[in-house]
Amino acid sequence: DSGVTQTPKHLITATGQRVTLRCSPRSGDLSVYWYQQSLDQGLQFLIQYYNGEERAKGNILERFSAQQFPDLHSELNLSSLELGDSALYFCASSLGRDGEQYFGPGTRLTVT
Amino acid sequence: AQSVTQLDSQVPVFEEAPVELRCNYSSSVSVYLFWYVQYPNQGLQLLLKYLSGSTLVKGINGFEAEFNKSQTSFHLRKPSVHISDTAEYFCAVSDPTGNQFYFGTGTSLTVIP
Repeated sequence: DSGVTQTPKHLITATGQRVTLRCSPRSGDLSVYWYQQSLDQGLQFLIQYYNGEERAKGNILERFSAQQFPDLHSELNLSSLELGDSALYFCASSLGRDGEQYFGPGTRLTVT
Repeated sequence: AQSVTQLDSQVPVFEEAPVELRCNYSSSVSVYLFWYVQYPNQGLQLLLKYLSGSTLVKGINGFEAEFNKSQTSFHLRKPSVHISDTAEYFCAVSDPTGNQFYFGTGTSLTVIP
């Protein structure tokens, strides 16, 4: 158990809908990272927050947004969903800057 | 931007045989290097990391990796694999700030009894 929790574990929704994925980092970790893992794209870094502020941005679509709250949990919002958004979404957290990230179990999103 | 290349997408190996999973990165500046393992239906778990110092890094489960700056490589090795090592292995690189993380496409290791 990495100490990172993600909810829900599974999510099935229809095209055009909007969903919110939630992540609670390990106790004391200030950084939260979001990743998308799909069969055709592999593991893609989406975005990082550090202590409530956006720190780095990767291959995140404009239809996706995220935020980190004062209690350090984070939410990833996916809107206008398309079939191609079906994937595993991982959250990871780290204490500081050395890049050692602890991954949550993931949320499997299926768009039908 | 940096990139990470894992040269083998699938590696089958017999139980108790040695294995090497290859990873090359493209960067002319200092980087941090990592290997992660993903067991079926689980998240990623850190195997080992190189930040600085000794180029031979030992990790969990008997794995080790060697940083080779001249060849920009960070290959993962294990002298004798077990069935339980069957998993997906990801090489990753970050800049020294740890802000940007780049993963390779993964290598699927299958240990054959």
